Amino acid sequence: RKEVEQDPGPFNVPEGATVAFNCTYSNSASQSFFWYRQDCRKEPKLLMSVYSSGNEDGRFTAQLNRASQYISLLIRDSKLSDSATYLCAVNDYGQNFVFGPGTRLSVLP
Amino acid sequence: SQTIHQWPATLVQPVGSPLSLECTVEGTSNPNLYWYRQAAGRGLQLLFYSVGIGQISSEVPQNLSASRPQDRQFILSSKKLLLSDSGFYLCAGQGGRVSYNEQFFGPGTRLTVL
Repeated sequence: RKEVEQDPGPFNVPEGATVAFNCTYSNSASQSFFWYRQDCRKEPKLLMSVYSSGNEDGRFTAQLNRASQYISLLIRDSKLSDSATYLCAVNDYGQNFVFGPGTRLSVLP
Repeated sequence: SQTIHQWPATLVQPVGSPLSLECTVEGTSNPNLYWYRQAAGRGLQLLFYSVGIGQISSEVPQNLSASRPQDRQFILSSKKLLLSDSGFYLCAGQGGRVSYNEQFFGPGTRLTVL
């Protein structure tokens, strides 16, 4: 079983739609969780950290479910500029930092 | 804030030629440093990581090597490139004095081996 798994997509959604991504992880010792955004031919950039209580940043909401070992990212009112690949990442507070393969999102006009 | 510098941005090299990619970190000290490779349309493959000067851990056996001669410098090298070495090479940092958990990435080097 891969350490971090994501649906590769692509998710093709119309502008204004709400879209949700899930990411599952296998290491129960994982302590910190992140969502990154990667534009085509660019480096990944941190979108948001994921806290135990869940957190929201504008149109983006991240949730953590430790019991089922998954994190989620919800994007509301999606914009054309949200088109990108979304990578989840988990860390065990050491140097062991594992990325998922990414989910590609295309927001269509 | 912490910043990772990488150069060059793009590189075209013939098979069998040597390689040296440099990564430097600004704005933090004693970070963990990482080299990743990303093939087109694929995820990040961890190649090497370093927790300090002279300390290198290799994740994937291959013809690449890494060195960390200074706290904020991480170098990826090869003596003879293979076609399969083509890809997008990303240097990342984590931890250190400023940032504890998340990884931050440099702009990457796109390598094409012909």
